Amino acid sequence: EVQLVQSGAEVKKPGESLKISCKGSGYSFTNYWIGWVRQMPGKGLEWMGIIYPGDSDTRYSPSFQGQVTISADKSISTAYLQWSSLKASDTAMYYCVRLSGDGYNSYDYWGQGTLVTVSS
Amino acid sequence: QSALTQPRSVSGSPGQSVTISCTGTSSDVGGSKYVSWYQQPPGKAPKLMIYAVSKRPSGVPDRFSGSKSGNTASLTISGLLAEDEADYYCCSDAGSYTWVFGGGTKLTVL
Repeated sequence: EVQLVQSGAEVKKPGESLKISCKGSGYSFTNYWIGWVRQMPGKGLEWMGIIYPGDSDTRYSPSFQGQVTISADKSISTAYLQWSSLKASDTAMYYCVRLSGDGYNSYDYWGQGTLVTVSS
Repeated sequence: QSALTQPRSVSGSPGQSVTISCTGTSSDVGGSKYVSWYQQPPGKAPKLMIYAVSKRPSGVPDRFSGSKSGNTASLTISGLLAEDEADYYCCSDAGSYTWVFGGGTKLTVL
């Protein structure tokens, strides 16, 4: 069974750093792109970026380029989303998603979400 | 890369049909074979309902169907059930392994 299991909720202060994780299981992690999606409170889904764990090829939405870093450690089947200096506006639910490997480019599996709260 | 345009809300009575539109540009929806739709019930993670414009994953009822014309994709839900009440999002690839979501539509079953 394919699963994406994300790390737990975080409460941070502005200016702090943070790295959240997404562990894939039940499939060949190396061979599927993993993306990140933001959902701010009461708002819609926003595509942030995507990484191919096999060679770490990474693409970002222009809106998030330079604001976050996406990485992956294929040895432990885990993808990461990190911030070097959090802002209050980073408060949101973050989902990791798997890009389907059938060539139809849809997000067929979603993590349960990680709630990040940034508040002084 | 702007969000795709969806109506903020739609509604229908049980048994009726509703259609949710998703309008983009020739750089995304209009030029893509890979428009997908996601259902997000309150407080839950989204779920894939339609991929490649009109294909249904296994387990998704055939009451859900998708189509596309020009720069606008559509999701139609027929025979509405109370359990269909949720937020719905379209998504299109925008080239070079980047994607864009729609703003979301809240479906209310009256």
